[in-house]
Amino acid sequence: KNEVEQSPQNLTAQEGEFITINCSYSVGISALHWLQQHPGGGIVSLFMLSSGKKKHGRLIATINIQEKHSSLHITASHPRDSAVYICAVGGNNNDMRFGAGTRLTVKP
Amino acid sequence: KAGVTQTPRYLIKTRGQQVTLSCSPISGHRSVSWYQQTPGQGLQFLFEYFSETQRNKGNFPGRFSGRQFSNSRSEMNVSTLELGDSALYLCASSGGTSGRGSTDTQYFGPGTRLTVL
Repeated sequence: KNEVEQSPQNLTAQEGEFITINCSYSVGISALHWLQQHPGGGIVSLFMLSSGKKKHGRLIATINIQEKHSSLHITASHPRDSAVYICAVGGNNNDMRFGAGTRLTVKP
Repeated sequence: KAGVTQTPRYLIKTRGQQVTLSCSPISGHRSVSWYQQTPGQGLQFLFEYFSETQRNKGNFPGRFSGRQFSNSRSEMNVSTLELGDSALYLCASSGGTSGRGSTDTQYFGPGTRLTVL
């Protein structure tokens, strides 16, 4: 079993829909990161969180440390949100462990 | 501020050769991490440097090595290339203010796509 599990693997939505991507982990962490990767490879860090909830524009990230679970929500999705979303956990030894990613396609 | 830059962007090598990839972090950032991304394994952590010291290394063979210079620029080297080393190699920099690269927001470079023939 992978240390970082993401679901779903693939997600197709209509423009305007509310989207949730889930991440569960089985190791001790110091922080959890949500990353966005567009075709071509460029990766952008969306959030880093160690507790609670963060919001940036239409994106919301939450984490439950006790349940070892995090969610990324996108409100009012738009075709430009189409990308691969990757959950990564920062370990206590400066290492990073990654989920396999969720490929999101938002159709107009 | 200029972003993280990586050179070269594309590279083709043959088995048995060695390769050196370069990463220039955002000005002021002291932590540089390297990652390998392949279709089969996804993203994997290679190593992290802070102030010229390697703070942690991922589960890769000794053919993979790196270093960081006093200006925070970093290089990684892969010796005796194998077909399986074909991948996108990404570096990311962070301020290092938290004392751990894994707990700072990371800024990724565009990557170097290495093809081993």
